[in-house]
Amino acid sequence: RKEVEQDPGPFNVPEGATVAFNCTYSNSASQSFFWYRQDCRKEPKLLMSVYSSGNEDGRFTAQLNRASQYISLLIRDSKLSDSATYLCNGNTGNQFYFGTGTSLTVIP
Amino acid sequence: DVKVTQSSRYLVKRTGEKVFLECVQDMDHENMFWYRQDPGLGLRLIYFSYDVKMKEKGDIPEGYSVSREKKERFSLILESASTNQTSMYLCASNSLGTDTQYFGPGTRLTVL
Repeated sequence: RKEVEQDPGPFNVPEGATVAFNCTYSNSASQSFFWYRQDCRKEPKLLMSVYSSGNEDGRFTAQLNRASQYISLLIRDSKLSDSATYLCNGNTGNQFYFGTGTSLTVIP
Repeated sequence: DVKVTQSSRYLVKRTGEKVFLECVQDMDHENMFWYRQDPGLGLRLIYFSYDVKMKEKGDIPEGYSVSREKKERFSLILESASTNQTSMYLCASNSLGTDTQYFGPGTRLTVL
């Protein structure tokens, strides 16, 4: 079983839609979590950290559920420029795990 | 701005060749990482280093070695390249005490 699992998609949504991605992790010792965005043929770049209390950055909301061991990313009012692959990341301190990524395409 | 650079964007090598992939970061980060990324498998950690001359195996170290002689530079070595090492290789770094990683642009290696 993979340490971090996420639905690869693809998710194809119209502009303006709200879309949510989930990511489950198996190591309960995981301490920190992040969402990264990766554009086609580019490197991953940090999108946002994920805090236990939930955090928001503009149209993006990230949440962590330690009891159920998953993190989520919600994108409201999707833009064409949101089209990318979104990677979840969980770390235990000396172990670093990434999901395989969820592909999002926002359609005009 | 954090900058992580990799020596080549594209590389083509033959089976059995020794391959060096270089990574340099300019932010005085203690930790450096090498990943490979393959379709359907995502990012997999090969090796990481938390200090000069220190290294730790990741999930898939077989067939690879690393070198960190200077803090800013982390090299990945394929002693004898094989076709199953054809992949996108990504270097990353971060500062001690933070888990946010900064990635280089990647090296797409093809082994023929």
